[in-house]
Amino acid sequence: SQQGEEDPQALSIQEGENATMNCSYKTSINNLQWYRQNSGRGLVHLILIRSNEREKHSGRLRVTLDTSKKSSSLLITASRAADTASYFCATAPSGGGADGLTFGKGTHLIIQP
Amino acid sequence: DTGVSQDPRHKITKRGQNVTFRCDPISEHNRLYWYRQTLGQGPEFLTYFQNEAQLEKSRLLSDRFSAERPKGSFSTLEIQRTEQGDSAMYLCASSFGTNSPLHFGNGTRLTVT
Repeated sequence: SQQGEEDPQALSIQEGENATMNCSYKTSINNLQWYRQNSGRGLVHLILIRSNEREKHSGRLRVTLDTSKKSSSLLITASRAADTASYFCATAPSGGGADGLTFGKGTHLIIQP
Repeated sequence: DTGVSQDPRHKITKRGQNVTFRCDPISEHNRLYWYRQTLGQGPEFLTYFQNEAQLEKSRLLSDRFSAERPKGSFSTLEIQRTEQGDSAMYLCASSFGTNSPLHFGNGTRLTVT
């Protein structure tokens, strides 16, 4: 089963604009991670935010986490054509669960040049 | 490149045949995961190893599926008596320690005809 639900399922914006994707989850987590996947390739880790953190930055990426609402958002600023990909949130359960990460269905982002 | 490698990249097989995939993780990583991904969905957890021990198996992993990680190095995933519903991308990932980012290979795309 997939815990995370990304919203929207698809997003198309112009190059240079900001892209925001949201993720909701259901159970208590140790951390939440965002991954990117280009078509036909494996996933690439972008950023990890722990349950006791509220915001984290990495280059043009900004992630927020609201554990009270069980939600996270990923903001990509000044988007580029190369950002076109699917983006997934993944949760690591609290208590050191052995199930690995649980992924959502993803947001497909298209950056129009 | 010392990333996670998977072999083969593509496999086409007839229903009822057995197939085996191989994954070579990053050498210093002690954890190895197998995921399955179908079109438009996020990866779904199948099983994971810590060193050579298989510690968790998903309910998705029927008795036709078996995974091994001899000597805690590479891993194999075998599917016996393949069915059309087994058609998917099979992703391998590795990590070091608990609650760490996963490093994915580019996957093996299986098509069962």
